[in-house]
Amino acid sequence: EVQLVESGGGLVQPGRSMKLSCAASGFTFSNYGMAWVRQAPTKGLEWVATISYDGSSTYYRDSVKGRFTISRDNAKSTLYLQMNSLRSEDTATYYCTRRIMDYWGQGVMVTVSS
Amino acid sequence: NTVMTQSPTSMFTSVGDRVTMSCKASQNVGINVGWYQQKTGQSPKRLIYWASNRDTGVPDRFTGSGSGTDFTLTISNMQAEDPAIYYCLQHNSYPLTFGSGTKLEIK
Repeated sequence: EVQLVESGGGLVQPGRSMKLSCAASGFTFSNYGMAWVRQAPTKGLEWVATISYDGSSTYYRDSVKGRFTISRDNAKSTLYLQMNSLRSEDTATYYCTRRIMDYWGQGVMVTVSS
Repeated sequence: NTVMTQSPTSMFTSVGDRVTMSCKASQNVGINVGWYQQKTGQSPKRLIYWASNRDTGVPDRFTGSGSGTDFTLTISNMQAEDPAIYYCLQHNSYPLTFGSGTKLEIK
């Protein structure tokens, strides 16, 4: 059974950093590109970033480019999202998903507020 | 960027109804479209991939169709468990973009 379990969320002040993790199991992690998708409270879904199966290629939405970094550790079957210079508009539930977006984690809430 | 425009924004239906919702892309995305169902308090669930392929375990009352710029999700026989927000997604080009959703409710 495919499982994606996010962790690392919480309350953070504007301008600070936070790192999200996603532990994957039930499939060969190193064969799949992975992605982060977020959803602000009461809003729709918004793609954030994608990383290729081997980490050699990454893609970001413009609003997070230069502030967020997606990475992976295939030995640990874990996906990461390093978020720097956080803004109030980054407040959202962040979902980990396979690149083809067939399986999703349960999501982790990130609140950026002073 | 490719804009995905969904309509209607919301709709009320009755059990047994046939429901149709639309997703229009601002440029040609081929068949690189998926449909997602999100129930309250839950993660999104993919129903349809490559515009018209049903995911494993998805009831056959859900049907996706379309290509290019016009896509449709049809529920042939609305059930009590189907109220949710439905989103389309284009993965033809970056940035990947979702529609704003169609909220489906029971009368």
